[in-house]
Amino acid sequence: LAKTTQPISMDSYEGQEVNITCSHNNIATNDYITWYQQFPSQGPRFIIQGYKTKVTNEVASLFIPADRKSSTLSLPRVSLSDTAVYYCLVGSNTGTASKLTFGTGTRLQVTL
Amino acid sequence: NAGVMQNPRHLVRRRGQEARLRCSPMKGHSHVYWYRQLPEEGLKFMVYLQKENIIDESGMPKERFSAEFPKEGPSILRIQQVVRGDSAAYFCASSPQRSSGANVLTFGAGSRLTVL
Repeated sequence: LAKTTQPISMDSYEGQEVNITCSHNNIATNDYITWYQQFPSQGPRFIIQGYKTKVTNEVASLFIPADRKSSTLSLPRVSLSDTAVYYCLVGSNTGTASKLTFGTGTRLQVTL
Repeated sequence: NAGVMQNPRHLVRRRGQEARLRCSPMKGHSHVYWYRQLPEEGLKFMVYLQKENIIDESGMPKERFSAEFPKEGPSILRIQQVVRGDSAAYFCASSPQRSSGANVLTFGAGSRLTVL
C-alpha cells in the first residue's frame, strides 16, 4: 500500500489560500488520491478525490502532477471554520488494496 | 436519508467487561470499515467488511476483538475483556460498491469508549 507523508501542521490567516501537499512516492497504477477533513470529536468528511491532473469542486481543488508521486489540496480563502485535520489517502478498491489507510494528517490552524 | 449511525456515542466499561459498538451504514452502502483513533492521533484501520464477509481484518488485534456485518442488522465491533488501552474513539464508515476507482467513505460520528 502506498504510504503518504504530509506536514504535521500548518498555520494560515483567514482569507488566504492554503495548499497542503502530500507525498506518495510508491503510488500504484490503480490508486486514487482522496482527501478528508476531520473536526474535533467528529468523523472525517470527504473533501475531494482525483486520479491525475486537476479536480475542482465547490470546496477545494486537487492538483496531481504527471508522475502522481505527490498531490496538493488547495483551499481557497480559508475561514476560521476550516481549522481541522486534513488527511490524504491513497488506495483503490482493487483486491486487498481495498483497505484505506489514513496517515497522521495535517493540522491546519486558521486565525484572524 | 440518514447518514452512518453509530451507537452508543459514549460507552464506559470497567476492565474485563465487554464492549459492543454498533454501526448502521448509509442506505444502499454494502461496505463497512472500522477505524480506531487515540487522542491526538490519526485513524488506524481495523477491519473492512461486506455483508456476511470479512474482507480485510489485518488491522484488528488477534485477540479480544471481533467484527461482523450480518445479512440483517448493523455491523458490530466487539471487544472482549476490555483493558485501559482500548479507550479510544471508534469510527465506522460505509461506502457503496464501485467497480473501479477508490471507495469514498462516509463516516459516522464515532463511539467513544472509556475503560475505567
